[in-house]
Amino acid sequence: GDSVTQMEGPVTLSEEAFLTINCTYTATGYPSLFWYVQYPGEGLQLLLKATKADDKGSNKGFEATYRKETTSFHLEKGSVQVSDSAVYFCALSPLSGGSNYKLTFGKGTLLTVNP
Amino acid sequence: DTAVSQTPKYLVTQMGNDKSIKCEQNLGHDTMYWYKQDSKKFLKIMFSYNNKELIINETVPNRFSPKSPDKAHLNLHINSLELGDSAVYFCASSQERGGGTDNEQFFGPGTRLTVL
Repeated sequence: GDSVTQMEGPVTLSEEAFLTINCTYTATGYPSLFWYVQYPGEGLQLLLKATKADDKGSNKGFEATYRKETTSFHLEKGSVQVSDSAVYFCALSPLSGGSNYKLTFGKGTLLTVNP
Repeated sequence: DTAVSQTPKYLVTQMGNDKSIKCEQNLGHDTMYWYKQDSKKFLKIMFSYNNKELIINETVPNRFSPKSPDKAHLNLHINSLELGDSAVYFCASSQERGGGTDNEQFFGPGTRLTVL
C-alpha cells in the first residue's frame, strides 16, 4: 500500500537557519504530494503541493520539488523564523481514487525555531 | 468565516460514557473525514463520507459510529469510552474523494478528548 516516510523529529534551529525536512514515499503510479503544517493548538493546513514529476510547490518561503526518480518531496526553507515553529506533515494522494479515497500522511516532524 | 468547525473544542469525560463530536463545513465540499491524532502527533484516518455515503472505514472499534445527516455535516459518536480513546479528533473536508490533483483537505480546529 501507499506510505510516506519523513525524518524523525524534533528539529531545533536558530532563527535564519536553513531548513530541510526529508520526505520519501511509496505509491503506485504518480500520486499528488503535499506538505501540511499544524501550528500549536490548531488543525492542519495545506502549505504547498505538487501534482506531477518535477513540479515545485512553494508558499511562505517554503519549497518542495516532486522527484520521481528518488520518490522524494523534501521541504526546504532558506531562512526560518520563530513563527515557523510547528509540526510538518508530508502526505500523498493517489492520482485516481479507485477504492483508495484517502490521503496518506507521514508521522509528522516537530520544528522548533529559537530566537 | 469558519470553513470547517467542530464542537466541542474540549471534551473531558469518564470511562464508559457515550459522547458525540459534531463537524460542519460551509465550503460546499462533497467529502468529509474523521482523523485521530495521538499524543505523538501521528494522524490516522478513521472514516470518510462522500455525499452522505460511507467510503472509508478503517480498522476502528465499532464503538465509533459516524453519521452524516447531509453532506455539510459529519458527526462522530463514541460509545463506552475507554482511556485509549483520549486523543485529538480532527474533521476535514475536500471537494474530491481522495484522489485527483486538487484534493486539498481543509481541517477543523480539532476536539481534544480526555477520558478519565
